[in-house]
Amino acid sequence: EIVMTQSPATLSVSPGERATLSCRASQSVSSNLAWYQQKPGQAPRLLIYGASTRATGIPARFSGSGSGTEFTLTISSLQSEDFAVYYCQQCDNWPLTFGGGTKVEIK
Amino acid sequence: QVQLQESGPGLVKPSETLSLTCAVSGYSISSGYYWGWIRQPPGKGLEWIGNIYHIGSTNYNPSLRSRVTISVDTSKNQFSLKLSSVTAADTAVYYCARRSDLWYFEYWGQGTQVSVSP
Repeated sequence: EIVMTQSPATLSVSPGERATLSCRASQSVSSNLAWYQQKPGQAPRLLIYGASTRATGIPARFSGSGSGTEFTLTISSLQSEDFAVYYCQQCDNWPLTFGGGTKVEIK
Repeated sequence: QVQLQESGPGLVKPSETLSLTCAVSGYSISSGYYWGWIRQPPGKGLEWIGNIYHIGSTNYNPSLRSRVTISVDTSKNQFSLKLSSVTAADTAVYYCARRSDLWYFEYWGQGTQVSVSP
């Protein structure tokens, strides 16, 4: 099983600032990685797939990068609606696995 | 617009079988794609349970394989989850979702809370 490790567990950021979230895979997943945003009481929402492709309707302030075992989700200028928990998911091998999440909170 | 809606009992007794259904609208399951279940224990992260193709082929998480059955009913445009011999560790919000060809989940249901308690 591929273990996905996200860091930091919590990120405190002021509105308008940049947020950088990391996701590491225990073995290479090539570019087969997705990012999701989850707000309290809601289902996860797909943000990024293929490591760097934004899903339909996702604002350009969200960007993904990386390949192999190291991945980054960047939110260029945090808006109030971006404070949430973010999960990465490897889409390369069975079983599909998710990271433990990074909570982005208001500083 | 593809929409998914989970339904089923919110409370299950230990050792019994958890049964959930996901009704799909805005897309015909028989047209393709994989359809999956993911769960989230209280305050924790996401765990993939398994998925099913419209013709019935399945993939399950090895950690749950011995207890999980996912089935599809194309006539009702829905798919279902059965998890047997449940314990308190199976208490979670259960989500159904459509899985893309690249294995990410693009459409999700709102989730349904299932508690395992005597």
